[in-house]
Amino acid sequence: QKEVEQDPGPLSVPEGAIVSLNCTYSNSAFQYFMWYRQYSRKGPELLMYTYSSGNKEDGRFTAQVDKSSKYISLFIRDSQPSDSATYLCAMTFENNNDMRFGAGTRLTVKP
Amino acid sequence: NAGVTQTPKFQVLKTGQSMTLQCAQDMNHNSMYWYRQDPGMGLRLIYYSASEGTTDKGEVPNGYNVSRLNKREFSLRLESAAPSQTSVYFCASSAHRGTGELFFGEGSRLTVL
Repeated sequence: QKEVEQDPGPLSVPEGAIVSLNCTYSNSAFQYFMWYRQYSRKGPELLMYTYSSGNKEDGRFTAQVDKSSKYISLFIRDSQPSDSATYLCAMTFENNNDMRFGAGTRLTVKP
Repeated sequence: NAGVTQTPKFQVLKTGQSMTLQCAQDMNHNSMYWYRQDPGMGLRLIYYSASEGTTDKGEVPNGYNVSRLNKREFSLRLESAAPSQTSVYFCASSAHRGTGELFFGEGSRLTVL
């Protein structure tokens, strides 16, 4: 079993839809939870960052962490064609450089 | 503002050849990393350097060596390339260890025949 599981998709939605992306993990010691966005043939870029449990909102994006269920989510409201990318969840421990990534979910938002 | 710069962007090698991937960052970050990305596997850490003068193995270090040349530069060397090392390699840096905010380069696509 992988330490971080993420449905690879692909996921295709119409413009304006609400998108839900999810990851599950097995190690309860993870403390930092991130979502990275990766456009085709580019490096990942940090989208959202959460420490421990709770919600965080940034514009159209909301990240949720449920440590009791070992489950994290990213919601995208009013999705745009420019949101078409691969979304990677990632997590790491306190004071540790070894970040673990999910396999990534490829999202396409159709005009 | 260049951020993290990787060279080369593309490389084709024959089995057994050696090569070095170069990485430089201009953000004065302490920590630097090398990842490989394969379909269905996500990003996997090869080696990292928490600070200048230190390097440590990550999840998949076999077949690779690294050098932290100075605070800016972190190179990855394949001594005897194998087809299993065909991948996209990403260098990243971060200001602080363990906070999760990594800045990535644009990747180096390596094919080993």
